[in-house]
Amino acid sequence: DIQMTQSPASLSASLEEIVTITCQASQDIGNWLAWYQQKPGKSPQLLIYGATSLADGVPSRFSGSRSGTQYSLKISRLQVEDIGIYYCLQAYSAPPTFGGGTKLELK
Amino acid sequence: QVQLKESGPGLVQPSQTLSLTCTVSGFSLTSNSVSWVRQPPGKGLEWMGAIWSGGSTDYNSALKSRLSISRDTSKSQVFLKMNSLQTEDTAIYFCTHITTVVPFDYWGQGVMVTVSS
Repeated sequence: DIQMTQSPASLSASLEEIVTITCQASQDIGNWLAWYQQKPGKSPQLLIYGATSLADGVPSRFSGSRSGTQYSLKISRLQVEDIGIYYCLQAYSAPPTFGGGTKLELK
Repeated sequence: QVQLKESGPGLVQPSQTLSLTCTVSGFSLTSNSVSWVRQPPGKGLEWMGAIWSGGSTDYNSALKSRLSISRDTSKSQVFLKMNSLQTEDTAIYFCTHITTVVPFDYWGQGVMVTVSS
């Protein structure tokens, strides 16, 4: 199975700050990478798919990028409603595998 | 609009079989695919398996011997059955819509299943 190593595991940031979360794939997955946000007691919500494509209704402050087998999610100006846990997912090969998650908190 | 809703027992005894139903609306199961994903309390996400629009299935190899996914297209329902449950199967179980381009774009609210005697 493809391993997705996500970092950091937790992150504390201030409002309006730029936040970056990364996922390292254990092998080439092309652009088959998605990002999800999960708020407490809620289902995960799709943010980014195809490594860089913004899902419908997602604010433009979220963006995704790729450098080789490393993928990044960037929040350009952190807002209160962005607090939660973020997961990456590789959908290149079965089984789809998630990163371990990044818990984003307000400083 | 696309909606998915899981239902099933909240408590299952160890060694018993879990049966869950995902009722979908806003799309047809004959042209769309559904996956199951679970999340143990306070932990991360695990893909369990999928039933594709053509009716074929794929399973996580770690669960394959215990897991079965099926559907009733006339009722817009997808079923999950997993046997020999253990305490480590305690989790929130989600069903999700999945396409070949956009994975897990819509999720159900999830159903909490506790395995305990």
